[in-house]
Amino acid sequence: EPEVTQTPSHQVTQMGQEVILRCVPISNHLYFYWYRQILGQKVEFLVSFYNNEISEKSEIFDDQFSVERPDGSNFTLKIRSTKLEDSAMYFCASRRQASATEAFFGQGTRLTVV
Amino acid sequence: KNEVEQSPQNLTAQEGEFITINCSYSVGISALHWLQQHPGGGIVSLFMLSSGKKKHGRLIATINIQEKHSSLHITASHPRDSAVYICAVGRETSGSRLTFGEGTQLTVNP
Repeated sequence: EPEVTQTPSHQVTQMGQEVILRCVPISNHLYFYWYRQILGQKVEFLVSFYNNEISEKSEIFDDQFSVERPDGSNFTLKIRSTKLEDSAMYFCASRRQASATEAFFGQGTRLTVV
Repeated sequence: KNEVEQSPQNLTAQEGEFITINCSYSVGISALHWLQQHPGGGIVSLFMLSSGKKKHGRLIATINIQEKHSSLHITASHPRDSAVYICAVGRETSGSRLTFGEGTQLTVNP
C-alpha cells in the first residue's frame, strides 16, 4: 500500500538553528500539507501546497517557515531560526484531489528545540 | 468555541464493549474524516464520509449533515483499539485543509 514517508523521525536542534523536515508524498497525489501537533494539543494546519506553490497557509506559518518541492518527489518544510515553541510533532500529508478524498499522513517528525 | 468538538475526551471500556465517539461541527463541510493516532504518534485515516454510513470491519462511521454530527462506533472492542480517535473536517470555504477536533483517548482494558 502506498504511504507517505517522513524523515527524520526525531530531530533535536538548538534554538536559533535551521531545520529541514522531509516528506515523500504518495506519487500520484497532487495536494500536500504540513500540520503540527504540540504535545497534548490538537493537530493544527500549517500550509497546503499545490501546483508548486502555496495554496493556503495559517497564521502560524510566518516568515520563519518555508516549503519546497525541489525535485518532484520530496516535499520539505524549513524552519529558519527555531524557537522553543516550535517543538512539536510535524506531520506531512497528501491527497489525490483537493476535497472529498482521503488524506494520507506520514508517521511524523518529532522536533525538539533546546 | 472550537469548530469541531468531540466527546468524550477520554473513554475507558472493557474488552468486548460497544463504543461510541461523537463529533459535532459548526461549519459547512465538504467531508468529515475519522483518524486514529497511535501511541507512537502516527496518524492513520479510518474513514472519509460526506453522507450516510460507512463500515470497515468492526468500525462504523455515520454522519448526519443536517444536524452537523458524526459518530464513530467500535463493535466488540479490543485492547488493540486503544488509541486517540480524531475527527477532522474539510471546510467548504477554506480550500482543502483539514480542521481537527481535540481527539478522544480510548483505552480498552482486557
